[in-house]
Amino acid sequence: DGGITQSPKYLFRKEGQNVTLSCEQNLNHDAMYWYRQDPGQGLRLIYYSQIVNDFQKGDIAEGYSVSREKKESFPLTVTSAQKNPTAFYLCAAQGINQPQHFGDGTRLSIL
Amino acid sequence: EDQVTQSPEALRLQEGESSSLNCSYTVSGLRGLFWYRQDPGKGPEFLFTLYSAGEEKEKERLKATLTKKESFLHITAPKPEDSATYLCAVRALDSSASKIIFGSGTRLSIRP
Repeated sequence: DGGITQSPKYLFRKEGQNVTLSCEQNLNHDAMYWYRQDPGQGLRLIYYSQIVNDFQKGDIAEGYSVSREKKESFPLTVTSAQKNPTAFYLCAAQGINQPQHFGDGTRLSIL
Repeated sequence: EDQVTQSPEALRLQEGESSSLNCSYTVSGLRGLFWYRQDPGKGPEFLFTLYSAGEEKEKERLKATLTKKESFLHITAPKPEDSATYLCAVRALDSSASKIIFGSGTRLSIRP
């Protein structure tokens, strides 16, 4: 089955802790994205990558970091510097001249 | 500044009662307008892409239309399973080829 897999579905973070959200795709798409979704708000772009070993900051990158060492993987780390990390995190992938396709998200909460 | 505004925020309909959702956008130039459906606790599911004014796309009970300033998602004779949040997004001419801007969505609820 082709698609985007995000894990875990639920994640809890303690104070001062970094946590990493996984995103894997088998669509062979070059571009991948991380969004944050808060209740009543649209999706806000955190980071995106158009090719392996390259990525750019989105609109709300502070307190987050990413890597893109493989085409199929784009993990997001929520660092302790992110003071309000509770949100629903969505990963997407996009092929050339195609719409973005999304995984089923990770819900991050603070303990 | 590029912007996408969706209205209403929430809409409750009776089964079979047709209506429309609105997506207004202000961008320097449109490279594409996208509609997605999002169920609770899930990622958005792609529905349609529209590129130019006058274009229409249909899928089952949904029809998306586009003008130079807005898009409508028409839902005809909806069923309870059409209940979801519908998201609109645009890709602007002067943005990175990869960046799109999302509206905050319309929560649609269909009562049996």
